[in-house]
Formats: sequence, C-alpha cells, structure tokens
Amino acid sequence: SQQGEEDPQALSIQEGENATMNCSYKTSINNLQWYRQNSGRGLVHLILIRSNEREKHSGRLRVTLDTSKKSSSLLITASRAADTASYFCATDSGGSNYKLTFGKGTLLTVNP
Amino acid sequence: KAGVTQTPRYLIKTRGQQVTLSCSPISGHRSVSWYQQTPGQGLQFLFEYFSETQRNKGNFPGRFSGRQFSNSRSEMNVSTLELGDSALYLCASSFGQGDIQYFGAGTRLSVL
Repeated sequence: SQQGEEDPQALSIQEGENATMNCSYKTSINNLQWYRQNSGRGLVHLILIRSNEREKHSGRLRVTLDTSKKSSSLLITASRAADTASYFCATDSGGSNYKLTFGKGTLLTVNP
Repeated sequence: KAGVTQTPRYLIKTRGQQVTLSCSPISGHRSVSWYQQTPGQGLQFLFEYFSETQRNKGNFPGRFSGRQFSNSRSEMNVSTLELGDSALYLCASSFGQGDIQYFGAGTRLSVL
C-alpha cells in the first residue's frame, strides 16, 4: 500500500527554474526521506527529515515537513538538465517493523 | 567505499521457473531490505534482514523468500514465477534499522 502521494505526477520546466514537488502521507511518521531515480535505475538518497524537524537544506535542495497537514515539499532551485528524474518521498513509522513506504513519484523533466 | 551491488542486472525467465537474485551491501552495513518496483504498484517493500534474521515482511505471497548470510550478503528467491512478477527488484542496505538506506542499481526481471 502507498503511504506517500506525490503531487504533481509530472512536472516540466526550463533549466534555471525552480521545481517544487509535494508529498502527502496518511499515518504518523518517524522520518520522511526523498529519493531520486534516473530512468528505471537505482534510487539515490537526497535528504532525510525527522518528524520533529520543519525544514532542511542540502545544496540546491530544500525540504519542508508539516506533520499537522501530513505533507512535505521538495524544492530544487536553479534546476539543471541533469535533475531530470523521478522523485519519490518515503516514510517510515519507526518501531521494530521498520520499512520504507514510498509514494508513486513525480517525474521531473528539465528542458535545456 | 563500494556501493550496493546487485546481480544479475537483467534476467529473463519463463512462467513456472524460479529465480534467485543477489545483493551485496555496503561494507559494514548489517541491514538489507528488498523492494519490488512495477509501473502499476510502484515501489513496494518485500522484506528486511538484519544479522541473518528476517525482521519484517511485506504483503507478498510465500513464493517470495529471502535470506541473509553471515557476511550480510542477501539473496531473494521467487518460485513458480508469474507474469506479474516482472519488475525491477531493488536491494537497499543500511547500517542499522532507521538509518538511511542506500540502494543498488536493481535487477530487472522479465517473466515471459
């Protein structure tokens, strides 16, 4: 079952523009992570934000988390063609039965 | 440090056969998780192993099984293959439960 739902499903922008992707989830979480996947290959970890954090930055990435709305957003600033990929949010609930539950992803296309 | 290695990268099998996929985690990582990715269902958790013990299992039939060896390497097995088992199978390793999971490039299985 999917926990996270990304919005939009697809996003097309020009190089240099900012890209914002949103993720909503249904149950309480311990952590929320964002991953990138290039064309059906492995997932690359981008950033982890804990449930007691509200915002986190890493290079051109900014992630926010609103636990009251059960939502998160990923902002990529000054996008590049190399940012073209699918982006997934993944949540975990902590505890002994630890697992990541992924959303269906946002396909980002950055046009040169 | 070498990343997560999955072998083989591609597999073609026919219905009814069985298949074994292999995953070598990052050195020092003791947790290995497996995920199935399909266009229809997205990324779904299969199981997680830590110190040779299966700690968590997703909602998959008993045809899907796995194991972990003392060196943390893991294998997953799918018996009596069905067409619907065609997918990208991803392995991820982490130091411990709740830590960032690092993914391999995946094994793409096609069942004919």
